[in-house]
Amino acid sequence: EAQVTQNPRYLITVTGKKLTVTCSQNMNHEYMSWYRQDPGLGLRQIYYSMNVEVTDKGDVPEGYKVSRKEKRNFPLILESPSPNQTSLYFCASSFHQDSNNQPQHFGDGTRLSIL
Amino acid sequence: AQKITQTQPGMFVQEKEAVTLDCTYDTSDQSYGLFWYKQPSSGEMIFLIYQGSYDEQNATEGRYSLNFQKARKSANLVISASQLGDSAMYFCAIIMNRDDKIIFGKGTRLHILP
Repeated sequence: EAQVTQNPRYLITVTGKKLTVTCSQNMNHEYMSWYRQDPGLGLRQIYYSMNVEVTDKGDVPEGYKVSRKEKRNFPLILESPSPNQTSLYFCASSFHQDSNNQPQHFGDGTRLSIL
Repeated sequence: AQKITQTQPGMFVQEKEAVTLDCTYDTSDQSYGLFWYKQPSSGEMIFLIYQGSYDEQNATEGRYSLNFQKARKSANLVISASQLGDSAMYFCAIIMNRDDKIIFGKGTRLHILP
């Protein structure tokens, strides 16, 4: 089954304790992206990647890191989480070919609470 | 900077009526794509419809159609014959082909009344 898998689905942790949210897709998609969703703000793109070893900042990259060592995986790293990073996080992927835009396939989301 | 505006935070519509959800965008780029997604209360993001900036025809997918007015920079979603299952949050998004960045609007919460 074609899917984007995020882990964990839920996490409660404390300020300053490094954490990683994993994202994996099995559709051979080039484009992968992380978003955070906050009430009243919609989804905001954190980082995106158009292929292996290529990553770019979205609108809200501060406090986050990503890597794209393999095509299927795109982990989101919070080196020193803070309470303002409490949010619902989505990973998404899509094919990418020049300007042939394809819809994003979304994971089920990770609800992160930083105390 | 590019921007997406959804002016209706919430809407209530009677079942079986048509619904128009507004989306306007602000960009000086000529090449971009516009998406609509639905997010039910269960939380998943569901792709509905896509319109490319160079597409001459308005996109349609079943009961969904996109009223694309490029000169006005608007990409409104039209849902015909609304159903109770259409109650959800709806997001408009733009992808800039120049840098492949994606920007979402803040969403419109649609309530379909029986």
